[in-house]
Amino acid sequence: QQQVKQSPQSLIVQKGGISIINCAYENTAFDYFPWYQQFPGKGPALLIAIRPDVSEKKEGRFTISFNKSAKQFSLHIMDSQPGDSATYFCAAPFYFGTGTSLTVIP
Amino acid sequence: DGGITQSPKYLFRKEGQNVTLSCEQNLNHDAMYWYRQDPGQGLRLIYYSQIVNDFQKGDIAEGYSVSREKKESFPLTVTSAQKNPTAFYLCASSLAPNYGYTFGSGTRLTVV
Repeated sequence: QQQVKQSPQSLIVQKGGISIINCAYENTAFDYFPWYQQFPGKGPALLIAIRPDVSEKKEGRFTISFNKSAKQFSLHIMDSQPGDSATYFCAAPFYFGTGTSLTVIP
Repeated sequence: DGGITQSPKYLFRKEGQNVTLSCEQNLNHDAMYWYRQDPGQGLRLIYYSQIVNDFQKGDIAEGYSVSREKKESFPLTVTSAQKNPTAFYLCASSLAPNYGYTFGSGTRLTVV
C-alpha cells in the first residue's frame, strides 16, 4: 500500500503562474510533511515542511496547505519561474511520493 | 561546510559481483538512510539506521546489506542477490525520521 500518493505526475505552467502539487497520506501517526526539490542528476533538497498542528506555512513563493481531516497536503508555488523547473516530491517520515515533473515555460 | 558525501558518483558492476557504495556525513545526525530511485517510482527505502550498530530494513531490503559502525558512516553493499540493481542510489541523514533529510549527490550504479 502506497503510504504517500502524489499528483499530478507532470505539470506545465506559464511563467508567473501558480503551480499546485497535491499529496495524500495514509498513516495518521505521521507528524512531519516535507516537500523536496530535485534537479537532474542531483540529490533532492528540502524545500519546505509542515507539522500537523498548523494548516498553512509560507516561505517566500512556496506555501504548504495542510488538511488533517482529509489527510492531504499541497504545495503552491506562486509566481512560478523557469528556474523552478524540477521534480518535486512530497514525503512523510520514511516515505516519498512518486514525484511531479514541473516545467515552467518562459 | 557540513554535508553528505557519496562515492563514487558512477559505478559499473559485472553480473554476480558485490559492490559497496560509500556514504559519509559530518552533520552530527543520528539517523541515516539509503534510498533507491527509479524513473516514475519516486524514492524507495532500502535501509535506515537511527543509532550506531543498529539498522532496520526498509521496503526493498532484499539483495542489499548495510553496516553502521560509526555515526558518520553508513555504507551500502549491493549483493549479487539483487536481481535488478541498476538504479540511482541516494544516501540521506537527519536528526530523526520526523525532521528534514539532507541528501547526498547520489551514486548511479549500472550492471554491465
